[in-house]
Amino acid sequence: AQSVTQLDSQVPVFEEAPVELRCNYSSSVSVYLFWYVQYPNQGLQLLLKYLSGSTLVKGINGFEAEFNKSQTSFHLRKPSVHISDTAEYFCAVSPNFGNEKLTFGTGTRLTIIP
Amino acid sequence: GAVVSQHPSRVICKSGTSVKIECRSLDFQATTMFWYRQFPKQSLMLMATSNEGSKATYEQGVEKDKFLINHASLTLSTLTVTSAHPEDSSFYICSARDAGGPSYEQYFGPGTRLTVT
Repeated sequence: AQSVTQLDSQVPVFEEAPVELRCNYSSSVSVYLFWYVQYPNQGLQLLLKYLSGSTLVKGINGFEAEFNKSQTSFHLRKPSVHISDTAEYFCAVSPNFGNEKLTFGTGTRLTIIP
Repeated sequence: GAVVSQHPSRVICKSGTSVKIECRSLDFQATTMFWYRQFPKQSLMLMATSNEGSKATYEQGVEKDKFLINHASLTLSTLTVTSAHPEDSSFYICSARDAGGPSYEQYFGPGTRLTVT
C-alpha cells in the first residue's frame, strides 16, 4: 500500500516570490509520482510526473519537482509565482507495475498575495 | 488533448431520490474509468474502478448498492447515487484512462457538485 503526506495544508506566498510545496510518500514498491492542480470547482489537471530517469522533472506553468528516493520526497517548486497560481495542489502516487490506482495527499492550498 | 466531460456539473436533488452522473471521454476510448469523491477542503478518495463491459470494483467501505456504476461503452461511464441523503452531498470527479495510452495516465473530468436537500 502507498500513502502520501502533504505537510502544509495552506501556503501563502507573495507574488513573484519562490514557492516550495512539500510531498513525502511511503511505499513498499517502486512508484510513479504526480502533482496535480485543482482550480475552484474544477477537476484535476496534471502539472508533472516522475516515472523514471532524471530526478528533476519539469512541468507546465513553470513548475518543477525533484524526486528524492532516499528521503522519499517529491517536492514541487516554482521560482516566481503569479496570481493565477492560486489553487489547490495535490501530490499523488501509484505503483509502477500496472496497478494504476492513484493515492492522493490531502492537498496544499497555495494562495498568492499581491 | 484528451478531454473528459461530466454531466451535470451541478445537481440538487431531494432526499430519497436517485441521481445519475455521466462521465464521457470525448476524443479517446477509455477501457478504465475511475470515480472519486471529494469532501470540502479534503483530498480525492477513490470510490470505484469502472471497466468497460464488466462489473465495477469498489473500494472498501463504498456501498455498491448505493453507488451504481455502469460502463457500457468505451466512452461512457455513469454513476448513479440511489436513495440519496444529505450525507451524500459531495463533489464527484471521474477520470479516464486512454486505452491506447500509457497505463499511468489518467485524465480528469471537471467534477459534479451534488447537493441533497
